[in-house]
Amino acid sequence: RKEVEQDPGPFNVPEGATVAFNCTYSNSASQSFFWYRQDCRKEPKLLMSVYSSGNEDGRFTAQLNRASQYISLLIRDSKLSDSATYLCVAGGGSNYQLIWGAGTKLIIKP
Amino acid sequence: DAGVTQSPTHLIKTRGQQVTLRCSPKSGHDTVSWYQQALGQGPQFIFQYYEEEERQRGNFPDRFSGHQFPNYSSELNVNALLLGDSALYLCASSSLSGGGETQYFGPGTRLLVL
Repeated sequence: RKEVEQDPGPFNVPEGATVAFNCTYSNSASQSFFWYRQDCRKEPKLLMSVYSSGNEDGRFTAQLNRASQYISLLIRDSKLSDSATYLCVAGGGSNYQLIWGAGTKLIIKP
Repeated sequence: DAGVTQSPTHLIKTRGQQVTLRCSPKSGHDTVSWYQQALGQGPQFIFQYYEEEERQRGNFPDRFSGHQFPNYSSELNVNALLLGDSALYLCASSSLSGGGETQYFGPGTRLLVL
C-alpha cells in the first residue's frame, strides 16, 4: 500500500461544476497536510495547507478527516484554468519527511 | 524577492556520466529538499539539507549525494548515471528555523540520460 494514495483520474468536468478529490494517507502520525497543483511540465505550486478545522480559500475548500486518514479538496464553480494535476502531501510525524501522492489529473471542459 | 532558482533547466547526459544540479532557496529560507519526479508520478524525496548537513534521506542509492553551502544554496550530484535517472529534479526550499514545513519549488532541472 502506498503511503499517500490518490485516484489518478483523469476527472473530466464541465466548466462551472463542482469537483471533489480525496487522498488517503497511511501514517497516523502525520501532522501536516497540503494540496499542491502542478501544471504540465511545470513545478508543483502550493494551493493550500490543510488544517484540522478545515480551510477555505475562495472556490477551494480542504478538509482533514483524521479518523479515516484522508484529506479532501473541493473546487466549486470550476474554471478552465483549474485544469492541472493536484498533488496531496502528508508530513510531519517522527521524521518530518513530506510524502507525496502521485496526483489526480483534472480536466475542465468548456 | 527571488523565488527558488535551479540550474540548469535542461541537461542531456549519457549512461555512466556524472551530473551536478544546483539550487538557490527562496530568500529567508534555510532548508533545501531535493525530489525526483518521473513522468506521471508524484515527487519522490531524495534528501533534505539543513545547516549544511543531510537531515533526512529517502530511498535513493549512494550514487545520489548532495551538499549545502553556508549561503543555503545546494547541489545534487548523481554519479554513474542510469537510463532510469531520467526525470525532472525538483528543489524545494523551506524555513525549518522558522518552524515552517511548507515547501516552495523551483522550476526544476529536466535530466535526460541516453
